[in-house]
Amino acid sequence: TQLLEQSPQFLSIQEGENLTVYCNSSSVFSSLQWYRQEPGEGPVLLVTVVTGGEVKKLKRLTFQFGDARKDSSLHITAAQPGDTGLYLCAGDGGATNKLIFGTGTLLAVQP
Amino acid sequence: DVKVTQSSRYLVKRTGEKVFLECVQDMDHENMFWYRQDPGLGLRLIYFSYDVKMKEKGDIPEGYSVSREKKERFSLILESASTNQTSMYLCATRGNTEAFFGQGTRLTVV
Repeated sequence: TQLLEQSPQFLSIQEGENLTVYCNSSSVFSSLQWYRQEPGEGPVLLVTVVTGGEVKKLKRLTFQFGDARKDSSLHITAAQPGDTGLYLCAGDGGATNKLIFGTGTLLAVQP
Repeated sequence: DVKVTQSSRYLVKRTGEKVFLECVQDMDHENMFWYRQDPGLGLRLIYFSYDVKMKEKGDIPEGYSVSREKKERFSLILESASTNQTSMYLCATRGNTEAFFGQGTRLTVV
């Protein structure tokens, strides 16, 4: 079974702080996605990274895929209360088209 | 607008009951998935289907079965509900890229 471990599990910070969330696996993935889930809703895609070493930016969010395509990170600059939510990484299972999800990071940004 | 609709937001069932969770998508996607979500464990795949009448076990299929009689509908069945199946259940559909999720069904088994 492919596993994706995220750290930290919980994060509570003040508005304006920076943070990084990590997603690690012993398996290689063809691509990796990051989702954000708000209370009472299903996860929504933020970004997909495909190439080892790839860096993608989405406003204040920076996503990086590890060179070996086994890990990824999400960095948020100057966090805002609207960033509050559960962040999930997901690795592409390949031919079966299934996604393997990480354990999740619950972020709370206090005003 | 993309829609994945789960039949119930909240369900309370008794131990031993047979429970049906329904999911309908309007995206004409072949791939559909059922996950359960528990704090600290992320989303764990129960079953998935890549075509009508086709199904594959995920990582935690024990105690569950599924049905896919039509492309747009994927049902999760708890044959005999138990308290350890109390959880949030999420249905998803996927084409070649991102997954689209329903709003979830919070199931409590008492």
